[in-house]
Amino acid sequence: KQEVTQIPAALSVPEGENLVLNCSFTDSAIYNLQWFRQDPGKGLTSLLLIQSSQREQTSGRLNASLDKSSGRSTLYIAASQPGDSATYLCAVITANQAGTALIFGKGTTLSVSS
Amino acid sequence: DTGVSQDPRHKITKRGQNVTFRCDPISEHNRLYWYRQTLGQGPEFLTYFQNEAQLEKSRLLSDRFSAERPKGSFSTLEIQRTEQGDSAMYLCASSLTWPGDNEKLFFGSGTQLSVL
Repeated sequence: KQEVTQIPAALSVPEGENLVLNCSFTDSAIYNLQWFRQDPGKGLTSLLLIQSSQREQTSGRLNASLDKSSGRSTLYIAASQPGDSATYLCAVITANQAGTALIFGKGTTLSVSS
Repeated sequence: DTGVSQDPRHKITKRGQNVTFRCDPISEHNRLYWYRQTLGQGPEFLTYFQNEAQLEKSRLLSDRFSAERPKGSFSTLEIQRTEQGDSAMYLCASSLTWPGDNEKLFFGSGTQLSVL
């Protein structure tokens, strides 16, 4: 059974810092991995999708990498801003699972202070 | 395209009552998903539809839960005889095709259910 773990659970940084969020998954047979952002009491917004054949994806100040063989992904946020404060979740679709839905981690809650 | 919309945003009910939530997906999306999220946890899959067909249900979806998607458009999720353990955010999501085909999933803002 696929399990997704995110470390750290919470992170506080001053504005301007570069930071890395970590995601690990137990079954490396994935189709893709997605990173989402969730603001308090709101739904999820897709940030980046990395296909299983890709190593990384970039969108603005965000860069996500994928090492499928080791079951790891990182989300790099450059020059953090207070508006980046949110919970960041990673999710995978696994080739071997019975279901077809995304499996999520518990998320990393980021707080960026000005 | 106004995105995925969910109604109501908040629902407070007494234990034992029935509640129904509605989700309107992005119009051209044929896949619709329901997830449940409790505080400090990631979303957990409940069920999904391809057009009007309900193709998969999680073990989390007890007999008290039922979902429909008539005509492959909007979807409803009903919880009968609510229990305090049903208190959670219920999220709806849609996609054009299967997310395994590298299609992004688009989420609504969710319905926050509180069972007293």
